Amino acid sequence: EVQVVESGGGLVQPGGSLRLSCAASGFTFSSYSMNWVRQAPGKGLEWVSYINGSSDIIFYADSVQGRFTISRDNAKNSLYLQMNSLSAEDTAVYYCAREYYDVLTGYASFDYWGQGTLVTVSS
Amino acid sequence: QLVLTQSPSASASLGASVKLTCTLTSGHSSYAIAWHQQQPEKGPRYLMMLNSDGSHNKGDGIPDRFSGSSSGAERYLTISSLHSEDEADYYCQTWGTGIWVFGGGTKLTVL
Repeated sequence: EVQVVESGGGLVQPGGSLRLSCAASGFTFSSYSMNWVRQAPGKGLEWVSYINGSSDIIFYADSVQGRFTISRDNAKNSLYLQMNSLSAEDTAVYYCAREYYDVLTGYASFDYWGQGTLVTVSS
Repeated sequence: QLVLTQSPSASASLGASVKLTCTLTSGHSSYAIAWHQQQPEKGPRYLMMLNSDGSHNKGDGIPDRFSGSSSGAERYLTISSLHSEDEADYYCQTWGTGIWVFGGGTKLTVL
């Protein structure tokens, strides 16, 4: 059974840092690209970052570029998100999501999601 | 700019059908989209990838009650024989090189 489980969320002060982790199981982790997606309280979904299986292709949303760093450890089946210079606008539940590439359409989406970890930025 | 537009809310009765709409911005009417369901207090769940011609690939375990269709720049999610557990937020999502975009979501209420 495919599972992704996020951890590492919590309360952090503005300007602070936090590192999120995502533990993957039930699939060959190194063969899949992975993403972070977030959801502010009462709001919709916002894509944050992407990393391919070999970590040589990485993308970030403009809202986090230069502050967040995505990485992975294929030996540990783990995905990470290092978040620096946090502000109240970064308060959200952060989801880890496996990338799904649809051969029929040639488009990418997310086929397995975790339950999320809450990050609260407040003094 | 790639934008997906969804109505904020929809409602339908238990056992009835409902059709949710996701509209692509002009110039992007050929794009495929995906539909995701988010039940209250849960992580999202992938429903299907929907092509511009209406063909679609559903995720693991998604019931036949969920289907997709397309017309021009509009992408639809139809849920038939509504169950109480279908009450959820539904998000459409698409993709361009280096960017993944979500619609604002539709909150479906099952009456």
